[in-house]
Amino acid sequence: QKEVEQNSGPLSVPEGAIASLNCTYSDRGSQSFFWYRQYSGKSPELIMFIYSNGDKEDGRFTAQLNKASQYVSLLIRDSQPSDSATYLCAVGIDAGFQKLVFGTGTRLLVSP
Amino acid sequence: DGGITQSPKYLFRKEGQNVTLSCEQNLNHDAMYWYRQDPGQGLRLIYYSQIVNDFQKGDIAEGYSVSREKKESFPLTVTSAQKNPTAFYLCASRPPAKKGQFFGPGTRLTVL
Repeated sequence: QKEVEQNSGPLSVPEGAIASLNCTYSDRGSQSFFWYRQYSGKSPELIMFIYSNGDKEDGRFTAQLNKASQYVSLLIRDSQPSDSATYLCAVGIDAGFQKLVFGTGTRLLVSP
Repeated sequence: DGGITQSPKYLFRKEGQNVTLSCEQNLNHDAMYWYRQDPGQGLRLIYYSQIVNDFQKGDIAEGYSVSREKKESFPLTVTSAQKNPTAFYLCASRPPAKKGQFFGPGTRLTVL
């Protein structure tokens, strides 16, 4: 069973701080990695994807991938109360990039 | 506006009844997916389709059925054989490039 693990949280950070969300995966052959944001009662929204080792930045978000350690993280700089949501890590498990395995998500709370 | 629509937003069903959830997209995506989400659990794949008139079972297909007669539409039927159907159902589609899946707003099904 291919697994994606996340700490359920909640992760609490003050407004303006950096939030660090982490995810580990079991399938060493995985090639694509995604972060989704899900507000309570809503559907997931894709915010970042990364395929290569290293960092990828998009605005206040940075995704980090370390394939040797099977570890992917999401950093949110200058956290805002509107960032409070559950963040889902998803890993592509097949070569055709068709199927994703999702973690259970980390709940982030940003306090004013 | 391009996007994915799901209807209805809320659905109530009596035990023993079949019910069909609608998913439509005008993004011209070939690949479409159905997931269910339960509290405290990650998204679990029910069925997916890579092309019209073709679909594959996901991890939890028992008690569900799908069809893919048109590129734009991928309806999901929850049958009376599904033992615990109360959940949040999410439809997604994926563009040809490996850029993740995009979700519709979801249907919340409650079995009374």
